[in-house]
Amino acid sequence: TQLLEQSPQFLSIQEGENLTVYCNSSSVFSSLQWYRQEPGEGPVLLVTVVTGGEVKKLKRLTFQFGDARKDSSLHITAAQPGDTGLYLCAGSKTYNTDKLIFGTGTRLQVFP
Amino acid sequence: SAVISQKPSRDICQRGTSLTIQCQVDSQVTMMFWYRQQPGQSLTLIATANQGSEATYESGFVIDKFPISRPNLTFSTLTVSNMSPEDSSIYLCSVEGRGMNTEAFFGQGTRLTVV
Repeated sequence: TQLLEQSPQFLSIQEGENLTVYCNSSSVFSSLQWYRQEPGEGPVLLVTVVTGGEVKKLKRLTFQFGDARKDSSLHITAAQPGDTGLYLCAGSKTYNTDKLIFGTGTRLQVFP
Repeated sequence: SAVISQKPSRDICQRGTSLTIQCQVDSQVTMMFWYRQQPGQSLTLIATANQGSEATYESGFVIDKFPISRPNLTFSTLTVSNMSPEDSSIYLCSVEGRGMNTEAFFGQGTRLTVV
């Protein structure tokens, strides 16, 4: 059973477009992270959100944690080819737990 | 953050053989994690490696197939034993950050192809 479902699974857009990726669960998470993975590399942490309703911005990327801490979204404004990659959300269910649960992933392709 | 080096970065192996993947961290860490990532898929945790004790395996993964060593606080190995084409995957080593939010740092992965 996959506890974190991401949508869409694939996204192919033109440079300059906006997009939103969703990460949904029926479970509550104490924190949730977003990672980006490029081919031939391991995932790289983008952001961690811990408070329900929290919004964090990283340049053109905006991350939101749902009020109930069961879901999150990643919005990219004016996407660029360098944003291409696999986006993964991951959550931990309790503080100081050592295991992360990874989402199903969203593969983004941005064409110039 | 942590710098994690994995090797080999890729390999092509014959079925029935075994491959050992090495993971070296630039600082001492309590736990190291091994993940499998099948083509186009997300990450699945194989096991958690603790120094000085046996690794803890997730459901669907067994020690005979994926033996793990953790001889010290900066190093671990994962062996994929008696390989079949179904074992073709990316294998990733990971450590946790020092904060309380279980952030993960990854090696670059080992791309294994079994023929």
